[in-house]
Amino acid sequence: DAKTTQPNSMESNEEEPVHLPCNHSTISGTDYIHWYRQLPSQGPEYVIHGLTSNVNNRMASLAIAEDRKSSTLILHRATLRDAAVYYCILRDHFGGANNLFFGTGTRLTVIP
Amino acid sequence: SQTIHQWPATLVQPVGSPLSLECTVEGTSNPNLYWYRQAAGRGLQLLFYSVGIGQISSEVPQNLSASRPQDRQFILSSKKLLLSDSGFYLCAWMGRENSPLHFGNGTRLTVT
Repeated sequence: DAKTTQPNSMESNEEEPVHLPCNHSTISGTDYIHWYRQLPSQGPEYVIHGLTSNVNNRMASLAIAEDRKSSTLILHRATLRDAAVYYCILRDHFGGANNLFFGTGTRLTVIP
Repeated sequence: SQTIHQWPATLVQPVGSPLSLECTVEGTSNPNLYWYRQAAGRGLQLLFYSVGIGQISSEVPQNLSASRPQDRQFILSSKKLLLSDSGFYLCAWMGRENSPLHFGNGTRLTVT
């Protein structure tokens, strides 16, 4: 299964934009890029996903490189509530969730 | 709207005791159901998944078992807990193909 690489940790000042990178050089043509985040002592929650085009929703934006070998999750204005572990995972369009690989993600610290 | 309930939130059990963790989903039918475990500071490890009543697939052979007696009920069990079974257990469900995974709030199990 294709894996992703993320930095272990990042810091951001409150109310500033945050760009969380993810490398997925072995991505296949049918893999969607999904992002989840996990707040302390909670289960992960879905943030956003995309295939080729950039995507926006109320939580974040997802910028996908033209060759799809990397992507960036963008939080436009970090708040203290955004402090969490962010997971970038690949998911085959035709598959279930039984082969998803949640690594250790990126731990985002938001500084007041 | 769909909701997922997982209980208990925390559990302390002695080595050798049995375990039963329950997960139920509301507001959807025929979901795919998943049990994950997260050790401290680690990623999520898929333990079991189910695509229908009575259908269980095990990803990692170990001291645990799972059952799905009803469409929206998923149970994680053990006959005799080991110290290594300590961790944060997460139940999740997925609806139609390629829809996001939705996680419960987890059960923190400590085996003493």
